[in-house]
Amino acid sequence: GNSVTQMEGPVTLSEEAFLTINCTYTATGYPSLFWYVQYPGEGLQLLLKATKADDKGSNKGFEATYRKETTSFHLEKGSVQVSDSAVYFCALPGASKIIFGSGTRLSIRP
Amino acid sequence: GAGVSQSPSNKVTEKGKDVELRCDPISGHTALYWYRQSLGQGLEFLIYFQGNSAPDKSGLPSDRFSAERTGGSVSTLTIQRTQQEDSAVYLCASSLGTYTDTQYFGPGTRLTVL
Repeated sequence: GNSVTQMEGPVTLSEEAFLTINCTYTATGYPSLFWYVQYPGEGLQLLLKATKADDKGSNKGFEATYRKETTSFHLEKGSVQVSDSAVYFCALPGASKIIFGSGTRLSIRP
Repeated sequence: GAGVSQSPSNKVTEKGKDVELRCDPISGHTALYWYRQSLGQGLEFLIYFQGNSAPDKSGLPSDRFSAERTGGSVSTLTIQRTQQEDSAVYLCASSLGTYTDTQYFGPGTRLTVL
């Protein structure tokens, strides 16, 4: 069945550093791919998504490209801010439910 | 518009007691989900309601866990005879269509079993 493997954290960066959080998947066909984010004390919310191969999702300066050749959907941001500190989850649909990665905790130092 | 709401936000209970957690999804959303998030862990799927179809209960960890969705809207997750390992944050989400659509999450209920 479909599965997702996500870079383990925690990840600590300085403000304005470049961010990459790796996500690779195994899937039948080409399902939509998602990144969700959970800010401290808040519920999860969709950060971005891509609905087909080669699509790029983007939001709040974050980007992720649906790469079928490498079965990856890595999350990137060119210059992180303290406010980006959160837990990030990669996700894709399984047979009857969304499959979430284990989450990557990101902390940004001022 | 109003998002997904959950109540209570925090619940402390004694081992062996029953608890009920409530979720109000976004109006018009046909799908509703319950997840569990233990400290430092990812999301564990519990149950999925889609319209009037029979719910997918494949994620419920034991028969102490049950959920209902009344009138296609509000849902209640019930945990009977709580155990300490049930301590977690219980998240509810809803989506407009099926589970492949964007899910909108509530703030969660933090359950502590003493």
